[in-house]
Amino acid sequence: DVVMTQSPLSLPVTLGQPASISCRSSQSLVYSDGNTYLNWFQQRPGQSPRRLIYKVSNRDSGVPDRFSGSGSGTDFTLKISRVEAEDVGVYYCMQGTYWITFGQGTRLEIK
Amino acid sequence: DVQLLESGGGLVKPGGSLRLSCAASGFTFIYAWMSWVRQAPGKGLEWIGRIKSKTAGETTDYAAPVKGRFTISRDDSENTLYLQMNSLEIEDTAVYYCATENNGIEHWGQGTLVTVSS
Repeated sequence: DVVMTQSPLSLPVTLGQPASISCRSSQSLVYSDGNTYLNWFQQRPGQSPRRLIYKVSNRDSGVPDRFSGSGSGTDFTLKISRVEAEDVGVYYCMQGTYWITFGQGTRLEIK
Repeated sequence: DVQLLESGGGLVKPGGSLRLSCAASGFTFIYAWMSWVRQAPGKGLEWIGRIKSKTAGETTDYAAPVKGRFTISRDDSENTLYLQMNSLEIEDTAVYYCATENNGIEHWGQGTLVTVSS
């Protein structure tokens, strides 16, 4: 199985400041079609997960442009340029190249 | 808008069975690949399996912890996804989400809670 490792697991951030979450996979996520199936999800307290980013860097419809994804191969990053109160929750990376596996989650809280 | 509505959760004894349903609307279900994902209380997300569309062979894939115990099926005439869970274990206690697949998991339902306890 492909193991997804996120860091940090807890992320206290001051409102208006940037935040960054790292996600590493145990093997390259480049699929045979040339795509890299790495997604990011946000799960607010008491809600279902919501996809933010697909294929590394593509924002889903309605996702604020303060969210961005980057990376390649085995190393990926989700960045929030200026954290807002509504960003509190748990963030998960997910690989879909080899079936599907999720990272452990990173809990973002306001400092 | 895509809507996924899970039902069928509840309390079941270890060794028992339960069938979950997921009613889908707002997209062309017959062409969709569908997954089930679960989340144990206070824990992270765990993919448990998928079913491909009929045009892709309607084949299924399962994660190791549920293989041989859980079965995913679909009724395209009813736009409904199913998860048959047998030989349930305490460790299967979780909220179960159905989800669409498009470049990986895309849309999620609101989830249904399954509690396995004696």
